[in-house]
Amino acid sequence: GQNIDQPTEMTATEGAIVQINCTYQTSGFNGLFWYQQHAGEAPTFLSYNVLDGLEEKGRFSSFLSRSKGYSYLLLKELQMKDSASYLCAVRAPRQLTFGSGTQLTVLP
Amino acid sequence: DGGITQSPKYLFRKEGQNVTLSCEQNLNHDAMYWYRQDPGQGLRLIYYSQIVNDFQKGDIAEGYSVSREKKESFPLTVTSAQKNPTAFYLCASSMAVANYGYTFGSGTRLTVV
Repeated sequence: GQNIDQPTEMTATEGAIVQINCTYQTSGFNGLFWYQQHAGEAPTFLSYNVLDGLEEKGRFSSFLSRSKGYSYLLLKELQMKDSASYLCAVRAPRQLTFGSGTQLTVLP
Repeated sequence: DGGITQSPKYLFRKEGQNVTLSCEQNLNHDAMYWYRQDPGQGLRLIYYSQIVNDFQKGDIAEGYSVSREKKESFPLTVTSAQKNPTAFYLCASSMAVANYGYTFGSGTRLTVV
């Protein structure tokens, strides 16, 4: 089976940088995804990692270490609209299994 | 524009009644999925389908049923056997290849009274 762990809640200040960690245990790893979900809405795709290393996309970056079963999502220059739940999801082998999500609150 | 449509957005039903949630996509995606989300929790897989006329149970299939008669459509029926049906239901679709993520519908919030 799959096991995905991420912190339940995090708080940060507008303009700051925050790192959301995700650890996973799985067989047949086939990529890791990060999604953003605002309350009552559908998740939206943020990033995808299948090889080790850092993927940067604007204010968002995602890192993967397959040997450690570890990923993080880095959000820079935080804005109030970044307050949302961030879901880590592992594809193994074809379906995505989601973590419980990290609720990020950005304070002024 | 291509996308995935769930209807209705809000649904109220009396306890003991079956209810069907609609999910339609025009993205030409092969695979479709149904997830359930409870407050403050992640997504749990109910059913998925990789091709037409075939579907598989996910982690929490009890009390639910699905069909996949057309590539574009994957309706979910919440039966009276589902003990706690009140939840947010999300439908998703994807290409069959591994590096594609999912496209989600906007969700249906089901409340059973």
